[in-house]
Amino acid sequence: DQQVKQNSPSLSVQEGRISILNCDYTNSMFDYFLWYKKYPAEGPTFLISISSIKDKNEDGRFTVFLNKSAKHLSLHIVPSQPGDSAVYFCAATYNNNDMRFGAGTRLTVKP
Amino acid sequence: GAGVSQSPSNKVTEKGKDVELRCDPISGHTALYWYRQRLGQGLEFLIYFQGNSAPDKSGLPSDRFSAERTGESVSTLTIQRTQQEDSAVYLCASSLVGGGGGYTFGSGTRLTVV
Repeated sequence: DQQVKQNSPSLSVQEGRISILNCDYTNSMFDYFLWYKKYPAEGPTFLISISSIKDKNEDGRFTVFLNKSAKHLSLHIVPSQPGDSAVYFCAATYNNNDMRFGAGTRLTVKP
Repeated sequence: GAGVSQSPSNKVTEKGKDVELRCDPISGHTALYWYRQRLGQGLEFLIYFQGNSAPDKSGLPSDRFSAERTGESVSTLTIQRTQQEDSAVYLCASSLVGGGGGYTFGSGTRLTVV
């Protein structure tokens, strides 16, 4: 069962513009959400997270927004840089149980 | 070690053979996870070890898949009678406790079944 969904397999943006990556989930029990970034031939690395008690968390160029009523979260990257080009995975967990991942979105930032 | 170490990094095996994949977690991390990523797909949860508790095996796709972990150290993922659909990158991650942003992933083992 696909409890975490990333419906856009790819996204291409121009350097300096905003990148918006979207994620939807179905399990209302999820209480912690994360974004991971993955370069080819490497494991995913943690990027940013948000607890279900918040609706926004910001870390430099990266901001994650959570809309619990819509069961939707998004990752904003602004300004986008060519080095941001990677696959981004949305993940969710509850009560410190195992993490469920989306299918990933490949972001390409063009110079 | 400084990070999560997985071996081998690449494995090519013939259909029907058994394979064993190894994961060395970060020292002190009580939680260990196995995921796999098949071509064009997302990360698929396989199994989760937390300390001495019974592992959560709910993600294992068939009884050909099994995993072991001795205490809070090395884990091995075994795939018996491999099939072509088992071809994927198998990723191991560890964390201090379950969940949260403290997951650290290894670089994965790319398994190709021919």
